[in-house]
Order: sequence, then C-alpha cells, then structure tokens
Amino acid sequence: DIQMTQSPSSLSASVGDRVTITCRASQDIKNDLGWYQQKPGKAPKRLIYAASSLQNGVPSRFSGSGSGTEFTLTISSLQPEDFATYYCLHHNSDLALTFGGGTKVEIK
Amino acid sequence: QLQVQESGPGLVKPSETLSLTCTVSGGSISSRSYYWGWIRQFPGKGLEWIGTTHYSGSTYYNSSLKSRVTISVDTSKNKFSLKLKSVTAADTAVYYCASYVKWDPPYVWGQGTVVTVSS
Repeated sequence: DIQMTQSPSSLSASVGDRVTITCRASQDIKNDLGWYQQKPGKAPKRLIYAASSLQNGVPSRFSGSGSGTEFTLTISSLQPEDFATYYCLHHNSDLALTFGGGTKVEIK
Repeated sequence: QLQVQESGPGLVKPSETLSLTCTVSGGSISSRSYYWGWIRQFPGKGLEWIGTTHYSGSTYYNSSLKSRVTISVDTSKNKFSLKLKSVTAADTAVYYCASYVKWDPPYVWGQGTVVTVSS
C-alpha cells in the first residue's frame, strides 16, 4: 500500500508569511494528489486537484506543485482565514484514497 | 448543485453494527461518472478511507476494514449506505460521505456525523 507522509505536522506563522507544506508518497503516484483545508467542525474542502490545478473559487495565493513522489502546497501570503489544518490525499485508479497525516497551521 | 448528507445513530454499542445512510441531492446517484464513498476521521484527526461504491453495484473497500464493511447503493431512493459490523471503541469517529469521479479526489463532502461506540 502507498503511504503519504506529510510534513511538518504543525507550524506557526504570521499573517503575510509564505507557508510551504510537503507531502511525500512511498512510490510514484504521478499527479494523483489533492490538497484539502479543514477548519474545526467542518468537512475538508478541496483546494487543489491533479497536484497543481486550483479548485474554482479558491484564492490564487494557494498553489500546488510536484509529481511522482514529492508534492508541495504553498500559501504565498498567509491570511487570517487560512489558519486551519491541511491534508494531502492520494487517489488511485481503484478508487482507494490515502490521506497524509495533516499539517496544522497556527498563528504565531 | 450536488450535495450529500449523512444520517444515522450517533451511539452504537460495542460488538454491534454501525449503520449510516448518505442521501444524494442535486443530482442522480445513477450518474455513470460518479462514485460514492465513505471516509472517517478519528478523534486524533487522522482521516481514513472506508470504501466506495458505484450505482452499478461495484464496491471498493479498504483492505484493513474489508471483513467488516458493506457499502450498498439504493438508486430508487438516491441513497447509499454503510454497514460496519463488530464495532469497538476504535471505530469512534466522524463519518463522512463524499462523491468523486475516478480521475479526481473527492470534491463534494457531507457535513459529517459523529458516531460513538460505547456501552
């Protein structure tokens, strides 16, 4: 089974900071990866799909990159509403879903 | 627009069967392109895929849960269901239903329903 390792597990940042979160796959997953934002008491919200495609309606300060085994979510200028937990998610052709462990972004 | 909503008991006794239903609105569960899945989130916040179904009746399960899980679809009611048998406290989680297409990760999620396993 493919494992998704996300880092860091948490980070503290200030409004306006550039934030980078990394997700590593245990084997080549091409670009079958999405990024999600989750706020307390809410379902995860898709930000990025196909590793780098921005979901409609998501601010352009969010971007995704990578392919194969290493992927990155970048928030170019952190805003107050961005404090949340972020997850990467690999989906395969058998419809299985594998989540990363999450990164909690907190206010410094 | 497509929406999904979970429903079912919030408390299940150990060794019994957890049963949840997901109601689809704003679209047809019989759409050929869509798959319908169950995902859970543990109190420590980790997320786990449980399984997925298609209107055709095809099912795909997490190998770690396969012996205890049944997911089925009712096209006449535009709903799909989850049954997880022989539950323990480790099955306490928020359970989400979601929809997705084969080439993309889930976009539409329900709001989630809390299920606690306790006597």
